[in-house]
Amino acid sequence: AQSVTQLDSHVSVSEGTPVLLRCNYSSSYSPSLFWYVQHPNKGLQLLLKYTSAATLVKGINGFEAEFKKSETSFHLTKPSAHMSDAAEYFCVSRSTGNQFYFGTGTSLTVIP
Amino acid sequence: EAGVAQSPRYKIIEKRQSVAFWCNPISGHATLYWYQQILGQGPKLLIQFQNNGVVDDSQLPKDRFSAERLKGVDSTLKIQPAKLEDSAVYLCASTYGAGSLDNSPLHFGNGTRLTVT
Repeated sequence: AQSVTQLDSHVSVSEGTPVLLRCNYSSSYSPSLFWYVQHPNKGLQLLLKYTSAATLVKGINGFEAEFKKSETSFHLTKPSAHMSDAAEYFCVSRSTGNQFYFGTGTSLTVIP
Repeated sequence: EAGVAQSPRYKIIEKRQSVAFWCNPISGHATLYWYQQILGQGPKLLIQFQNNGVVDDSQLPKDRFSAERLKGVDSTLKIQPAKLEDSAVYLCASTYGAGSLDNSPLHFGNGTRLTVT
């Protein structure tokens, strides 16, 4: 069975410092992986996706993620946090049966 | 492309009343999902449609929740009668869903925030 684990429920960073949100996946094969962001009172917005092409994936708003098969990880990073990055982030995997598996989310706080 | 449309954005009802939510997915998307998101939690799948057929409704409380996608395009989710614990955001999402090799992402609507008093 597939699953994703987000290792931190809350992350707090200062504005201008790097962001690291951690996600591990469990799958018998290389899944499709996604990161979504959810701002208050909004739906989930796609940040980036990994679909077995390049292992380093660049997304919107300066975010990127690296797929590491040896570590079964897909961590989300950003070099410099902005106040507008404060939100909830979800790591999601997709099975071949159009089923999506959500992590429990990481709440990012950006301190001015 | 136009995104996933949902209505209404907000709804307040009393317990035991009924409520319906509407969703229009992105044009051409075969697979449609309804999720329930309780405050502070991740989305929980209620039902998944492939065209107008149900793929997964294992977590849908069928004694009170129903959903349909009659023409394989837009969908409605109904709750009757509502309980206090149904207070949540109801998210609709769609994906291309072309088959086992499809790896396209989910596209979400903005959701309907339901408050049951």
